[in-house]
Amino acid sequence: ILNVEQSPQSLHVQEGDSTNFTCSFPSSNFYALHWYRWETAKSPEALFVMTLNGDEKKKGRISATLNTKEGYSYLYIKGSQPEDSATYLCALILTGGGNKLTFGTGTQLKVEL
Amino acid sequence: DARVTQTPRHKVTEMGQEVTMRCQPILGHNTVFWYRQTMMQGLELLAYFRNRAPLDDSGMPKDRFSAEMPDATLATLKIQPSEPRDSAVYFCASGSPMRTARAKNIQYFGAGTRLSVL
Repeated sequence: ILNVEQSPQSLHVQEGDSTNFTCSFPSSNFYALHWYRWETAKSPEALFVMTLNGDEKKKGRISATLNTKEGYSYLYIKGSQPEDSATYLCALILTGGGNKLTFGTGTQLKVEL
Repeated sequence: DARVTQTPRHKVTEMGQEVTMRCQPILGHNTVFWYRQTMMQGLELLAYFRNRAPLDDSGMPKDRFSAEMPDATLATLKIQPSEPRDSAVYFCASGSPMRTARAKNIQYFGAGTRLSVL
């Protein structure tokens, strides 16, 4: 069984705070890592696709880094806003795994005014 | 605005009844995935297809679940007979590895079917 672990499970921050959370995965047979954002009552939407060790991606106030040797990725949100409230999922593709994504259970972020 | 369409959005049924969920992938996408959202396991992959052929259905209880793609515009997930423990939100997603590198096979999700089995 492939374990993709995310921490923390949930997080409450104040508007304007910067925050980050972690996705951990087995480093062997790594092919790619995806981050998805999932707002309540909506569908997951892709944020980033990361493939190379040391990759860093950025979209507005959200950025992500990848360390494939030690098996983790961080997602950072700078200056959190209420609209950032969502569950953030990471998902792993393994070498030889076809197109199959194995999702973590997510970090639920709540940004309060 | 291309999107994955799932029907029905909500389904309430009684234990033992057959349930069929439908998914229309984004036109041109050749991979289709079925997921189940559970409290404990998050998004659990049930089955996936490439070019309408089933590639992996190891996550699906075989005795009662079946997944098919009768054509490129329709994927179905059936449960027969349904049980209360099948109550969950079922998501369909599609992707297009033919036009992009596999690593960039971003999946586009439908709105889900919320199933309640009483």
